Amino acid sequence: GQQLNQSPQSMFIQEGEDVSMNCTSSSIFNTWLWYKQDPGEGPVLLIALYKAGELTSNGRLTAQFGITRKDSFLNISASIPSDVGIYFCAGQRGGNEKLTFGTGTRLTIIP
Amino acid sequence: DAGVIQSPRHEVTEMGQEVTLRCKPISGHDYLFWYRQTMMRGLELLIYFNNNVPIDDSGMPEDRFSAKMPNASFSTLKIQPSEPRDSAVYFCASSYRGGGAGYTFGSGTRLTVV
Repeated sequence: GQQLNQSPQSMFIQEGEDVSMNCTSSSIFNTWLWYKQDPGEGPVLLIALYKAGELTSNGRLTAQFGITRKDSFLNISASIPSDVGIYFCAGQRGGNEKLTFGTGTRLTIIP
Repeated sequence: DAGVIQSPRHEVTEMGQEVTLRCKPISGHDYLFWYRQTMMRGLELLIYFNNNVPIDDSGMPEDRFSAKMPNASFSTLKIQPSEPRDSAVYFCASSYRGGGAGYTFGSGTRLTVV
């Protein structure tokens, strides 16, 4: 099935650095979600976005719903070791339609 | 709420054996999803249910895979016979009224078929 394209696929950063990742689609979504998966666990919802242009923060995390409704962005400021994991975006077109998940961005922090 | 509960957490089985994975969704959620995660293919949706009825099983890889949801609080994913290429982490997730508010995932079952 269709998957959303996330970039980068992986990131290697030092503690304290800021992180940016994005998610793009060829079609419009009306809801964008960002999940984080810790090693050995299931994905956990971080942020939900429901309106084009919306900017929402959750602590050091900020996500944006792209104006075109075909993309979304996630930023992490001042990264810490517990930010390590895989970040997934997910989109939904509307109604009760199931989510479409992105391919994931794997974040590694270099000591 | 205890969240979505999956069992077992780890399963190691021999090729050809039957494997049954179990899931208890969050009470009140009317959608249940089974996903498989591998390094090569990422998160793949296998099947999902709405009000205990299978809605889309197009992601089920082959007839060796089957899933049931006999009631609102329990679902199983069965692989019979299992093969080494079935080795993966299998996740169950549940939601209320589709995906708009997101899914809640279980901790997964790591299946190894030797």
